This record gives sequence, structure tokens and C-alpha cells, in this order.
Amino acid sequence: DVKVTQSSRYLVKRTGEKVFLECVQDMDHENMFWYRQDPGLGLRLIYFSYDVKMKEKGDIPEGYSVSREKKERFSLILESASTNQTSMYLCASRRKIGLYEQYFGPGTRLTVT
Amino acid sequence: QKEVEQNSGPLSVPEGAIASLNCTYSDRGSQSFFWYRQYSGKSPELIMFIYSNGDKEDGRFTAQLNKASQYVSLLIRDSQPSDSATYLCAVFSGGYNKLIFGAGTRLAVHP
Repeated sequence: DVKVTQSSRYLVKRTGEKVFLECVQDMDHENMFWYRQDPGLGLRLIYFSYDVKMKEKGDIPEGYSVSREKKERFSLILESASTNQTSMYLCASRRKIGLYEQYFGPGTRLTVT
Repeated sequence: QKEVEQNSGPLSVPEGAIASLNCTYSDRGSQSFFWYRQYSGKSPELIMFIYSNGDKEDGRFTAQLNKASQYVSLLIRDSQPSDSATYLCAVFSGGYNKLIFGAGTRLAVHP
């Protein structure tokens, strides 16, 4: 059974705080992704990683950074949280070759006040 | 032109009917196609994937792919109120090496 977990379901932070969102997958997937989802804007890709220590910018990387020190773990970092980063954050993973099925974690609802 | 297009809905069907959800895509080189179901406040859940032209059936769900027309659809037979959700179509683009998602179609199944 595939499993992607995220460190928190709900998080409330203050403007200017540094925020860490953690994602762990147990499927030995090479590719991992961070999205945000907002009403009317759909899923937007922030960053992705196709291997340990590798990262690629997605469509909206500004204000975010990522870290992938181990294959199973991919972290999203908000260096200085702002209110416009209030959103649902979704982590996903996928095998690099062969089947392209992508699985999502449960999501983190982040509120920045 | 959006890369993956879906009618936003809501698509309203009575319980027991067939719900038909449609998706078109622009990249002719797309290789694989996915349907996700997303309940309000939850994350997307993969329910179907299809790689070849034709139909693929899994329980009450059938995915249909027509690469010549760049069209993929999801049929839900015997629709239940628990099927009420937003359905996201996603297309894997080899050129971008990532999934491209549609905006989703909201389905409402009423008793």
C-alpha cells in the first residue's frame, strides 16, 4: 500500500516566521513534488526533486526553498512566511521510470497570520 | 489555450445514473493519463490511469482514451452520493517531465 505522509495536517504561523513542511514516502520513489492548492487556481507546482540533493523549480518557486537529503524525505521551507502563502500544501511522489502514477500525501493546511 | 481542460461544473446527476467527466489536452506527445478524486478539504486520490487508446474498466469506473482526438474521459456507473467530489484530470507530459493537471470538474450526485 502506497504511503506519503506529511508532518502536520494543520499549521498556524505568524508573518515572518520560518516554516518547515516535511514529507516522507515509503515507496522508494525517485521523484518528489510540492504543490499548493488554492480555490480557483488549482494545483500549482512549487518545486520538485528527481533525486537526492537534486531540485528543480516548478511554476511558482518564489518565496520557497526545498531540501532533499534522503531519498524518502522532501522538505519545503518558507524562509519568511507571508499571508499570501496561506494555502493547502500537498506533497506527492512518483517513480522515475516505468509507471508514472503519482501519489499525494494528506496535505498541510497552512495559515499565516 | 490551457494544456489540460475540464468543464468546471458542477455536473449534477441523480443517484444510480452514469456520470461522464471529460478532459482534453494539448500536448500530442502525452504518454499517460490519470483521474484523481478530491473530496473537499482532502488531498487528491488516484482512482484510474490509462496509457493506451480504448477503455479501461475498474469496478464502477471506466476510463476512455482517444489520443487522435486528444480526449480522455471518466465514466462512473451507478453513481452514489459518496461520489460527489471534484475530479481532476492529469496528463503526463514527457517534454515537461511532470504531470499537468486540469482545474477539475465538480460532481454532485443527488439522491
